[in-house]
Amino acid sequence: DAGVIQSPRHEVTEMGQEVTLRCKPISGHNSLFWYRQTMMRGLELLIYFNNNVPIDDSGMPEDRFSAKMPNASFSTLKIQPSEPRDSAVYFCASSLTGVRGNTIYFGEGSWLTVV
Amino acid sequence: GQQLNQSPQSMFIQEGEDVSMNCTSSSIFNTWLWYKQDPGEGPVLLIALYKAGELTSNGRLTAQFGITRKDSFLNISASIPSDVGIYFCAGQRGGADGLTFGKGTHLIIQP
Repeated sequence: DAGVIQSPRHEVTEMGQEVTLRCKPISGHNSLFWYRQTMMRGLELLIYFNNNVPIDDSGMPEDRFSAKMPNASFSTLKIQPSEPRDSAVYFCASSLTGVRGNTIYFGEGSWLTVV
Repeated sequence: GQQLNQSPQSMFIQEGEDVSMNCTSSSIFNTWLWYKQDPGEGPVLLIALYKAGELTSNGRLTAQFGITRKDSFLNISASIPSDVGIYFCAGQRGGADGLTFGKGTHLIIQP
């Protein structure tokens, strides 16, 4: 079975450019999470959706970050304009909520470098 | 936001040794999970704990959900080279909530 699929795997961009990260959750999952990982701050939850509706975006660092989930099989995380301090690995994860023992599965991450 | 205190930060051990790491929190979680992350990959779930006091094993791995619901530990017995990686604890309040992660334990195994 396909896991959580993220793209791009790696992106290098110049400061001020728009960055769009994409995620396809596992088919049938109803919750989707966006995390950011840095050496200094570890894994931080940015935002999560349940049934395509944003539930908690309190982890989104600032207005330059936005996330959408137009349907159950696709989500984007956008940074506009990007800054060097946004350099990090961004993980998307999904789960089937409401089932005891539900597991959150992570994608392989999008490695972002802003120069 | 909420952080979990995970220790130790890193461990240098000999192959065959047992490993122990733990996580503590100032607040209660209803689920505790342990993940392992290899270089260039996303975290992979090792063990999930759903009930206070629960002790669960997965092969050479054993984890416990603290009775106060504010802590958990992970033990690895008879370590092997492929155990190298970063181990993360994570807490979850409700089934639909995101995970709060510890800072990770870097495990390095010397042959």
